[in-house]
Amino acid sequence: GAVVSQHPSWVICKSGTSVKIECRSLDFQATTMFWYRQFPKQSLMLMATSNEGSKATYEQGVEKDKFLINHASLTLSTLTVTSAHPEDSSFYICSANLINEQYFGPGTRLTVT
Amino acid sequence: KQEVTQIPAALSVPEGENLVLNCSFTDSAIYNLQWFRQDPGKGLTSLLLIQSSQREQTSGRLNASLDKSSGRSTLYIAASQPGDSATYLCAVYSGNTPLVFGKGTRLSVIA
Repeated sequence: GAVVSQHPSWVICKSGTSVKIECRSLDFQATTMFWYRQFPKQSLMLMATSNEGSKATYEQGVEKDKFLINHASLTLSTLTVTSAHPEDSSFYICSANLINEQYFGPGTRLTVT
Repeated sequence: KQEVTQIPAALSVPEGENLVLNCSFTDSAIYNLQWFRQDPGKGLTSLLLIQSSQREQTSGRLNASLDKSSGRSTLYIAASQPGDSATYLCAVYSGNTPLVFGKGTRLSVIA
């Protein structure tokens, strides 16, 4: 079956630094990937749609200059949280489209101290 | 805009009980509906996916039904076990768009 990986699985960083999270489709190509954020005891909130070879589409209220998305190849999308603050601490999950299904990565736990 | 609602938000049952989780969606023009399980601090595990042309899907003790015209789906869990304790998420896919998730049902099965 289709597998999506994320790296790292968890990361702790200091306030003001930047953190990059990778999302890879391991056995298929994905022109479209999605990035979600999940706060404790909340459901997943879509942050942006990542399109290979073009700019990402951000949801309302998500700062594109703070959450940089790069989808440089058909198997890799990256999310960079720039100048991270404690309020950015969250669980970040990516997914990749294959035909009419989405396959989810295992998530990345970001803690900003 | 598609909206997905899950009822109840939380549920606590004794071990061995059969239970039903409910999901409703506002726009019936969907490709498929998917049920996920999420353990605390973990990612999503896909449980069942029902295509819009299907009425139900079964996997072990799980049975999911879909009534597309009325915008409803149910997840039936038979003979619940403590290991079933998790948050169950319902999500709908409407074609070349992100999944739209409900807020989930937090299930606790008490031994």
